[in-house]
Amino acid sequence: NAGVTQTPKFQVLKTGQSMTLQCAQDMNHNSMYWYRQDPGMGLRLIYYSASEGTTDKGEVPNGYNVSRLNKREFSLRLESAAPSQTSVYFCASGFEPSKDYSNQPQHFGDGTRLSIL
Amino acid sequence: AQSVAQPEDQVNVAEGNPLTVKCTYSVSGNPYLFWYVQYPNRGLQFLLKYITGDNLVKGSYGFEAEFNKSQTSFHLKKPSALVSDSALYFCAVRDYGGTALIFGKGTTLSVSS
Repeated sequence: NAGVTQTPKFQVLKTGQSMTLQCAQDMNHNSMYWYRQDPGMGLRLIYYSASEGTTDKGEVPNGYNVSRLNKREFSLRLESAAPSQTSVYFCASGFEPSKDYSNQPQHFGDGTRLSIL
Repeated sequence: AQSVAQPEDQVNVAEGNPLTVKCTYSVSGNPYLFWYVQYPNRGLQFLLKYITGDNLVKGSYGFEAEFNKSQTSFHLKKPSALVSDSALYFCAVRDYGGTALIFGKGTTLSVSS
């Protein structure tokens, strides 16, 4: 019962470097999400994929790109890392957002702790 | 626009005492409300969700939440706190047909022995 798996768990980058964060889920969920968590700010949505083949911007998409590789996998890419992107990144999955599934919770991975120097 | 407020950054209680973590929300229609808990260096774990018609919702680990439509609140409660309940708690909301969850800023619960 892996649930949502994120790799890597920790990473240190230099400003300007690029990196891809990986996420995979084995719960047959349609939707996947990337959030960032910063102290005192809760979780903020970066990008989401409501279903395979679609992606949409969330609240804080600048500086990021995503790829929904297949139903299981959703990656987040930082093309040119900046210190402001130092954060803990969480991937989540859930049922396709629709009126029938509005009351279904999302399931989260354990996060990637990213520091940018 | 949807929003969630958790007015307390930190709640301190003694073990064995009841605890309450507060949450108020704002949505345009019927709310879908959730509580999550986060332990250090871990992801968010689902605790409970509001079910239409039930003002008192029971969830995992002995937690429950009280929904109050007139006060637009969904407070998390537990009759008797444990030291192991110490963690960061998030309230979240989604409106009908909405895409992603909107999270509060979180409340740190500290239970002392």
